[in-house]
Amino acid sequence: KNEVEQSPQNLTAQEGEFITINCSYSVGISALHWLQQHPGGGIVSLFMLSSGKKKHGRLIATINIQEKHSSLHITASHPRDSAVYICAVGLQTSGSRLTFGEGTQLTVNP
Amino acid sequence: NAGVMQNPRHLVRRRGQEARLRCSPMKGHSHVYWYRQLPEEGLKFMVYLQKENIIDESGMPKERFSAEFPKEGPSILRIQQVVRGDSAAYFCASSPRGTATEAFFGQGTRLTVV
Repeated sequence: KNEVEQSPQNLTAQEGEFITINCSYSVGISALHWLQQHPGGGIVSLFMLSSGKKKHGRLIATINIQEKHSSLHITASHPRDSAVYICAVGLQTSGSRLTFGEGTQLTVNP
Repeated sequence: NAGVMQNPRHLVRRRGQEARLRCSPMKGHSHVYWYRQLPEEGLKFMVYLQKENIIDESGMPKERFSAEFPKEGPSILRIQQVVRGDSAAYFCASSPRGTATEAFFGQGTRLTVV
């Protein structure tokens, strides 16, 4: 079992829909990242969370430390949101490196 | 303040050649992490370096791979005698402290071994 699990693996939505991507982890963490990767592109950090909720534009990220779960929400989705979204955690057991989920491929159709 | 700079963006090598990937961290960052993304797979940690020191290389393949972060200049990930299975995207991230979750990522180097 992976230490970081994401769901769904693939997600197709119509423009304007509300989108949720989930991330669960199995051990204690110091913090959690949500990352975005466009095809053939670099990696952009969207959020870093250690508790609570953060919002940036149409993106919202939440984390529940007790339940070991985080969600990334996209409101009013747009085709330019199409990308791979990756959850990454700093595990308390793994020193100072990141452990990644497998990613969620999001496609938003016009 | 420029971001994390990786070069080259794309690198093609024949089997048996050497590949050198460079990473210049953000200004003021002395901690560098290298990650590898194999085709159709997730990102995996390779190595964590601080200036002139390798802190954690537990993700590095035992042979042919090495990394350095000298006092002056960029961090280098070196792959000797490349094989087709080394074809991947290699990402570098840097942070001001030894906290990977505060790291900023570069654009990556896409290595293709032919």
